[in-house]
Amino acid sequence: DTAVSQTPKYLVTQMGNDKSIKCEQNLGHDTMYWYKQDSKKFLKIMFSYNNKELIINETVPNRFSPKSPDKAHLNLHINSLELGDSAVYFCASSHSGTGNNEQYFGPGTRLTVT
Amino acid sequence: RKEVEQDPGPFNVPEGATVAFNCTYSNSASQSFFWYRQDCRKEPKLLMSVYSSGNEDGRFTAQLNRASQYISLLIRDSKLSDSATYLCVVNANTGKLIFGQGTTLQVKP
Repeated sequence: DTAVSQTPKYLVTQMGNDKSIKCEQNLGHDTMYWYKQDSKKFLKIMFSYNNKELIINETVPNRFSPKSPDKAHLNLHINSLELGDSAVYFCASSHSGTGNNEQYFGPGTRLTVT
Repeated sequence: RKEVEQDPGPFNVPEGATVAFNCTYSNSASQSFFWYRQDCRKEPKLLMSVYSSGNEDGRFTAQLNRASQYISLLIRDSKLSDSATYLCVVNANTGKLIFGQGTTLQVKP
């Protein structure tokens, strides 16, 4: 199936731990994103990579470090997890050549920090 | 002022009703506009892009008024399966998508 996929779907961990979320897209897109959706349902951009280069870096704690090994993959590593990091994290991708920035989302990773 | 504002609802309508959602945005330099749909505990999915001339896709009609910085979505003949949260999304000239909080629609039998 052509899609944006994320692993894991659910992640329950304790405060202070370090965890990673992986994202892959096989849509042939050149731009990938990480979003955070909190309990109030606001969806906010965290990072964006275009052809493995970081192009958007919102005000996010430096405990969050994205890595793009190639343009089909974008991973998110989180150090020293805090209770406030509990949220759903969505990966998305788009093709920069279209100009209008239509983005396609993965199924999300529901992170719960206890 | 939020960059993209929507009435969160919920809008409770009977099957077959026509319902309209509105959205305003603050950045006059915004370049493109979308409606996304998000079902409970699922990812947002692109419903339709919004063009200045207005556009229609089946029972869904989207309109854009750049002068008033206002976007609308009209759903005709509502189905139970239309129940979801509808997200108004604006592509700022920074290249970022800015999402509204969403408007929740509940279609009742």
